[in-house]
Amino acid sequence: DIQMTQSPSSLSASVGDRVTITCRASQSISSLLNWYQQKPGKAPKLLIYGATILESGVPSRFSGSESGTDFTLTISSLQPEDFATYYCQQSYNSPKTFGQGTKLEIK
Amino acid sequence: VQLVQSGAEVKKPGASVKVSCKASGYTFSSYGISWVRQAPGQGLEWMGWISGYNGQTNYAEKNQTRLTMSTDASTNTVYMELRRLRSDDTAMYYCARDRGTLVRGRIFDAYDIWGQGTMVTVS
Repeated sequence: DIQMTQSPSSLSASVGDRVTITCRASQSISSLLNWYQQKPGKAPKLLIYGATILESGVPSRFSGSESGTDFTLTISSLQPEDFATYYCQQSYNSPKTFGQGTKLEIK
Repeated sequence: VQLVQSGAEVKKPGASVKVSCKASGYTFSSYGISWVRQAPGQGLEWMGWISGYNGQTNYAEKNQTRLTMSTDASTNTVYMELRRLRSDDTAMYYCARDRGTLVRGRIFDAYDIWGQGTMVTVS
């Protein structure tokens, strides 16, 4: 199975901050990486697919990048509604493993 | 476009549970459905996938001997049955539409529509 390792596991930040979350795959996954946002008591929401492609309707302050097996989700200017838990997921092969999550909290 | 799941379940250890996921607003046969579960306070765990076109399945090895996914095309409904339940099966179970998007000659899969979740408690 492909292991997805996210860092950090939690992060405190303020409204307006620039935030970066990292996800590392245990092997090459050829850009097949998705990012989801989950708020308490809700289902996850797709933010980015294909490592860098913004899902329709998602604000442009969210962006994704990749370098080899390292992937990054960046929020350019945190808004109050962005405080949530973020997960990466590889869609390269089965099982379609998720990272352990990064909880973004208000400082 | 939505996925609507069946209601919460409470089961005894050793019993079975069958959760439904009814799709609407899109062509059922054009998409697969994946199931993802989340134990209380934990992360997301991929369980498996079923094709809306022909019912082909792909299960995570972890639970594949206890797991069956099926479809009913007449009602646009997908089912996930988990047998021989254990306490560590207590979780929120989500169905999600598996969308493949063609970009620059490549197909990228992602879960764009999710059900509201079904809480299964084993106790």
